[in-house]
Amino acid sequence: DVKVTQSSRYLVKRTGEKVFLECVQDMDHENMFWYRQDPGLGLRLIYFSYDVKMKEKGDIPEGYSVSREKKERFSLILESASTNQTSMYLCASSMEAQKLFFGSGTQLSVL
Amino acid sequence: GQNIDQPTEMTATEGAIVQINCTYQTSGFNGLFWYQQHAGEAPTFLSYNVLDGLEEKGRFSSFLSRSKGYSYLLLKELQMKDSASYLCAPSNSGYSTLTFGKGTMLLVSP
Repeated sequence: DVKVTQSSRYLVKRTGEKVFLECVQDMDHENMFWYRQDPGLGLRLIYFSYDVKMKEKGDIPEGYSVSREKKERFSLILESASTNQTSMYLCASSMEAQKLFFGSGTQLSVL
Repeated sequence: GQNIDQPTEMTATEGAIVQINCTYQTSGFNGLFWYQQHAGEAPTFLSYNVLDGLEEKGRFSSFLSRSKGYSYLLLKELQMKDSASYLCAPSNSGYSTLTFGKGTMLLVSP
């Protein structure tokens, strides 16, 4: 089975902190994605990557950056966390045909 | 951009049949995914339609009409465990990213 692992299930941070959300997949997938999910807004794509050291902006990249130094790992970085970044963050990976395998999510609260 | 429309909530009783509709407008359409998401959990893959028509997989079926920009998910013999959010996601060409609808919350009652 494909496994996508997110480092934290729950995270509480303060406004202005730098936050790292880590995601690792074990199926040698080329593609990795970061989404956030908010009530009433659904899943929205933040950033994605189709190869090591490659990144593309999604629909809502403002306030975020990403890093993909190794194929299996895709990190989401909040340079200076703000309260409007409180959300559920979901990492996903895929090989082809966009069938996504999701991690279990990180519920981030920014106080 | 993409515009995806699906009902916010639906209710049904155990053993019944329910159809969840999804309409979409997108450029460079590749195919359409349906995902299921239980409360507090990650979305899981249900179905993928590329060609027009009905794809059946056990109690769940999914239909696509490319010309009408329309899909539906059909759930038969509903069970309590089917209470979840169902996400419609058309995929586009180019970078082949998925854009998700806001989801339909289905509540199955006894």
